[in-house]
Amino acid sequence: EADIYQTPRYLVIGTGKKITLECSQTMGHDKMYWYQQDPGMELHLIHYSYGVNSTEKGDLSSESTVSRIRTEHFPLTLESARPSHTSQYLCASSDTLTSGNPDTQYFGPGTRLTVL
Amino acid sequence: KNQVEQSPQSLIILEGKNCTLQCNYTVSPFSNLRWYKQDTGRGPVSLTIMTFSENTKSNGRYTATLDADTKQSSLHITASQLSDSASYICVVSDRGSTLGRLYFGRGTQLTVWP
Repeated sequence: EADIYQTPRYLVIGTGKKITLECSQTMGHDKMYWYQQDPGMELHLIHYSYGVNSTEKGDLSSESTVSRIRTEHFPLTLESARPSHTSQYLCASSDTLTSGNPDTQYFGPGTRLTVL
Repeated sequence: KNQVEQSPQSLIILEGKNCTLQCNYTVSPFSNLRWYKQDTGRGPVSLTIMTFSENTKSNGRYTATLDADTKQSSLHITASQLSDSASYICVVSDRGSTLGRLYFGRGTQLTVWP
């Protein structure tokens, strides 16, 4: 079992609320990622980070923002939630291994977000 | 467009039976291919990972194969158990960026009945 945690596991909120999804890992990994996944669909990368103070947007456009102030912590924030943001959000981390070794992403349990 | 296609979309088998899941990809250049297991309401967990030079990899009752020439992979599950009920996701990584971008399939939803 990977040491990567997400809170809350489930969240139901009203439109217009500001929310922060928490993600923490205790493995000392330098790379962290946020994915969005709808039922029966593939994971889409929305944000990633190579390390502290590094954040990049992923393949899927998202109105969310992220920060990486500490190695172990990679929170995702929605300033004003909308029903279109309803989805499952998965956090992952990986380590930079020696050349030639593909790094494996370890996933958290996910946050199921419902915006009414 | 780089894509990962999985079949079947869903599969129901009886406990103790074997099954094979398929993955076809068009990702290029190719770095490696992973199979993940995702239980309902959980994050994916890595089962196997294969690079270009590997054509088979086993992890307990799970055996993955890779044909890099035809760009096909399969995941064979032997003597299925109820706990094998999950979504199995094929993930292909390219070498086109420092990130080693991952391309995800939509998964095969496997249900094992007693």
